Amino acid sequence: DAGVIQSPRHEVTEMGQEVTLRCKPISGHNSLFWYRQTMMRGLELLIYFNNNVPIDDSGMPEDRFSAKMPNASFSTLKIQPSEPRDSAVYFCASRRQSSNTEAFFGQGTRLTVV
Amino acid sequence: TQLLEQSPQFLSIQEGENLTVYCNSSSVFSSLQWYRQEPGEGPVLLVTVVTGGEVKKLKRLTFQFGDARKDSSLHITAAQPGDTGLYLCVVSYNFNKFYFGSGTKLNVKP
Repeated sequence: DAGVIQSPRHEVTEMGQEVTLRCKPISGHNSLFWYRQTMMRGLELLIYFNNNVPIDDSGMPEDRFSAKMPNASFSTLKIQPSEPRDSAVYFCASRRQSSNTEAFFGQGTRLTVV
Repeated sequence: TQLLEQSPQFLSIQEGENLTVYCNSSSVFSSLQWYRQEPGEGPVLLVTVVTGGEVKKLKRLTFQFGDARKDSSLHITAAQPGDTGLYLCVVSYNFNKFYFGSGTKLNVKP
């Protein structure tokens, strides 16, 4: 099992540029989560999907952030335009949608906006 | 709104010492999980507890869920350098949405 796969691992971009982060969940998992981790705020849930449908996006900080899940094996998180305060590690996690199941995390994408 | 408080925020101890970290909230949760995150990696699940008063053991780690299901503790016996990492408490209201605490950063010195 390859686990949750995120790409890229590292991204450095200039302020104002569009950034797209990608995630491939574990096969058979029907819930997918996007988190952002910073020293100041810890791990914050941005959005989660059940069966490819966005359920709760209340954690998405601004309209500059958008997420899609076109099929069960792929999701994207896009920031347009990016700002220096978006610099963080972005994690994708997946799990089976049932009580108490483990969420498996990818290795994260470290985003730096200069 | 800070749902969870973890303490201490940082802990640096010598190999062989015992330690306890805490997770507290004013709300009742349906389940509580502990994760460990190592530098450069995503969090990895250690344990899930759902029943008030529940105690689970994982080798040298002992997890307890408070009777009122508002708090939990993680006790490590004879800590080893391999235990170094960020310990995260995670709670859920409805098994769909999970909230992370800010974590306890543990450093075990050889």
